[in-house]
Amino acid sequence: DQQVKQNSPSLSVQEGRISILNCDYTNSMFDYFLWYKKYPAEGPTFLISISSIKDKNEDGRFTVFLNKSAKHLSLHIVPSQPGDSAVYFCAASVYGNKLVFGAGTILRVKS
Amino acid sequence: DTAVSQTPKYLVTQMGNDKSIKCEQNLGHDTMYWYKQDSKKFLKIMFSYNNKELIINETVPNRFSPKSPDKAHLNLHINSLELGDSAVYFCASRAGPAEAFFGQGTRLTVV
Repeated sequence: DQQVKQNSPSLSVQEGRISILNCDYTNSMFDYFLWYKKYPAEGPTFLISISSIKDKNEDGRFTVFLNKSAKHLSLHIVPSQPGDSAVYFCAASVYGNKLVFGAGTILRVKS
Repeated sequence: DTAVSQTPKYLVTQMGNDKSIKCEQNLGHDTMYWYKQDSKKFLKIMFSYNNKELIINETVPNRFSPKSPDKAHLNLHINSLELGDSAVYFCASRAGPAEAFFGQGTRLTVV
């Protein structure tokens, strides 16, 4: 039973363009959502988060949008850079409880 | 200075052996986790500890035994290793509902 789903296994984007990574969830009790970035042979590193009381959070080139009615969130990276090439995981939790992760999306930014 | 450190990074061992993976965090967090990333790249929670007490055990075989001697350490001991235990194991720590910080991972290969 996957509560957090990332339906796109991979995404390829040209350098300088926008990358949009999507995530859907099924548990309406989730109140905190996060995006992690992972390079090969390293642990996931935190990128950006959003509380369920907000619909947008921005940090530099990264913006996360939350649509609670659709149980959908997305990560926008603008402009995309080759160094952004990595696996991106969406995660969610219910008030500080365990983080539930999606399967990840491989982002390739071509120069 | 690494926030969450795990040792060893790589571990190759034979079926039937017993092995341990160590994890330490210097962030002062109360909560620590073990996650397993299997061959399909899913990050699945195994255990969660809060202030040295087991909070979550996600139906992991009892061959896996976590031990938390203090709130900065959460070690994972695995008895009678099986081929299916081969995976990357990640330790993480977290303060309340905020983001979790992950270690670099331990790639366990059982031959």
